[in-house]
Formats: sequence, structure tokens, C-alpha cells
Amino acid sequence: DAGVIQSPRHEVTEMGQEVTLRCKPISGHDYLFWYRQTMMRGLELLIYFNNNVPIDDSGMPEDRFSAKMPNASFSTLKIQPSEPRDSAVYFCASSIGFGGQPQHFGDGTRLSIL
Amino acid sequence: QKEVEQNSGPLSVPEGAIASLNCTYSDRGSQSFFWYRQYSGKSPELIMFIYSNGDKEDGRFTAQLNKASQYVSLLIRDSQPSDSATYLCAASGYSTLTFGKGTMLLVSP
Repeated sequence: DAGVIQSPRHEVTEMGQEVTLRCKPISGHDYLFWYRQTMMRGLELLIYFNNNVPIDDSGMPEDRFSAKMPNASFSTLKIQPSEPRDSAVYFCASSIGFGGQPQHFGDGTRLSIL
Repeated sequence: QKEVEQNSGPLSVPEGAIASLNCTYSDRGSQSFFWYRQYSGKSPELIMFIYSNGDKEDGRFTAQLNKASQYVSLLIRDSQPSDSATYLCAASGYSTLTFGKGTMLLVSP
């Protein structure tokens, strides 16, 4: 079975540009999570969706960040305008159910903002 | 604020030894606990989960949970150099997972 698929794997762009990260969850998984990982802060939950509906976006750092899930197979995380402090690895994860269910991670997008 | 604490390491063990990784959590409502392995430059990979007090074994891995002490551990028997990675502990109640920052394990040949 295909796992969580993220694209692009690497993104290098200049400050001020719009960045769009993409994620395809595992088929049948009804929860989708976006995380950011840095050395200083570890894995931080940004937002999660249930059945395509955003449930909790309290981890989104600023209004420059937005996320959508137009259907069960696709989600995007957008940063506009991007800043150097947004440089991190962004992971998408999905799970069946919530709470005590394990989450399965994609390979991540390594984002560098110059 | 829900917190999961782990010693950042590195924890260095020789090949063939038992590696013991520890984790404490602050939320007494936490019900489920997970161990993820993350190789450098890769994504977290689920290796164990435990819901009940006591031990759970899977191959060379044993997860231990003590809810009274709010303590979770992961034992890796017969450690191999390929086990060298960062191990993330995560806890969940009825909401999202809270991750620790991970412990780096180095297994020397």
C-alpha cells in the first residue's frame, strides 16, 4: 500500500515568495495532520483535518500560513509571504481515527527560505 | 501545557548491548503511547505503541508503561549499528499526539 505522499521533497526559495506544500494521505485515513520540525522546537503540530474539515489550527504560527483539504486525497499547506524563519522540515501524517491511533508520516518537505 | 520529556542524548551503547530509552509525560489523561524511530534526514517511523501498564514485546523491542509514574520506556535488545537513530516518544489522550524532542541513540560496532 502507498504511504503518505508529500511533494516537493525539497524547496528552496527566496524570502517573500509563496510556498505550497502538498500531501496525499493514505487511502481510507480520515485524519490528516501537518507538522513542522526544527532542531530547536522538535515536532510541532500546525493543523489537523477530520474528513477534510479543519478541526484545530491553533498551531499555525501566523496568518501567513494556511492549509486546505479540498478532498479526501489531497491537502496543501501554503506560506505567503515566506520568511527565513519558516525554514524547517514539514511533515504530513495521516491516521484512521483519532486519539490513540498511530499516525503515519510522509517523507517530508525540506524547506529553505533564503 | 501537555509535555513529553526525553533526554536528548546521545545515548551510546556497544553493538549487542541493551539500549534503554526513557520518556516522561505530564498529562495524566494520556492513554496511548508511541515510539517512533527517525533516521537522520528521514521521517518518523512508528515502531511500537502501548496502551496498558506493563510490558509489550515485539521482536528486539520492548515498550514499558507505568501510568502511576507517568513513565514510558523502550528497550532495544541486541542493539545493532542500524538502530542508530533518534527515538521520539509520543503521548495521546483523547486529542492529538504530543511528541518529545527525541533521544539520539548511537550504537557502535
